[in-house]
Amino acid sequence: SAVISQKPSRDICQRGTSLTIQCQVDSQVTMMFWYRQQPGQSLTLIATANQGSEATYESGFVIDKFPISRPNLTFSTLTVSNMSPEDSSIYLCSVDDLTQETQYFGPGTRLLVL
Amino acid sequence: GENVEQHPSTLSVQEGDSAVIKCTYSDSASNYFPWYKQELGKGPQLIIDIRSNVGEKKDQRIAVTLNKTAKHFSLHITETQPEDSAVYFCAARANDYKLSFGAGTTVTVRA
Repeated sequence: SAVISQKPSRDICQRGTSLTIQCQVDSQVTMMFWYRQQPGQSLTLIATANQGSEATYESGFVIDKFPISRPNLTFSTLTVSNMSPEDSSIYLCSVDDLTQETQYFGPGTRLLVL
Repeated sequence: GENVEQHPSTLSVQEGDSAVIKCTYSDSASNYFPWYKQELGKGPQLIIDIRSNVGEKKDQRIAVTLNKTAKHFSLHITETQPEDSAVYFCAARANDYKLSFGAGTTVTVRA
């Protein structure tokens, strides 16, 4: 299975600032995703990170708020821009190992916005 | 889009007993159904999955069943242990590779 790491693991930020979260995978993967998990809630897909092209966003999520980069097949970043307390969540990177057609998750980044 | 419902929201069992979590899905095109276990402070961990061409799959104390006609699938944990205490999520996915998750079940195993 793919091993996924995320940085930072947690952060406390002031409103109005931005935070960039990094996701690194130990092998090349075709599909990379970013999810949000609000406190005590389930997981919601933010976007699919596409290598070499713009990310594909789900309804309710926009590029200006959550810009995503994916420069290669093992790395992606998610930026949470102009943060407000409502952005306090766990942000999770996920990859799909198409050789096994199985989806794995990283450990998550726990964000608290004051 | 896909809608996944999960029941119950909480489940308390005595150590050694079985636990069953049930999910239903709406999109008949869904063909992949993973289950994840999330412990406090950690990311979701894949524990078992099943594809639409299989009716049942077992891995030691964990089993999953799928009824495509009724559009529901279930997770069965036998001989529960305290380390089984966690939040469990079911999910469904069609060919677009996007997972839709259930609301989660908090399982507590009483020693």
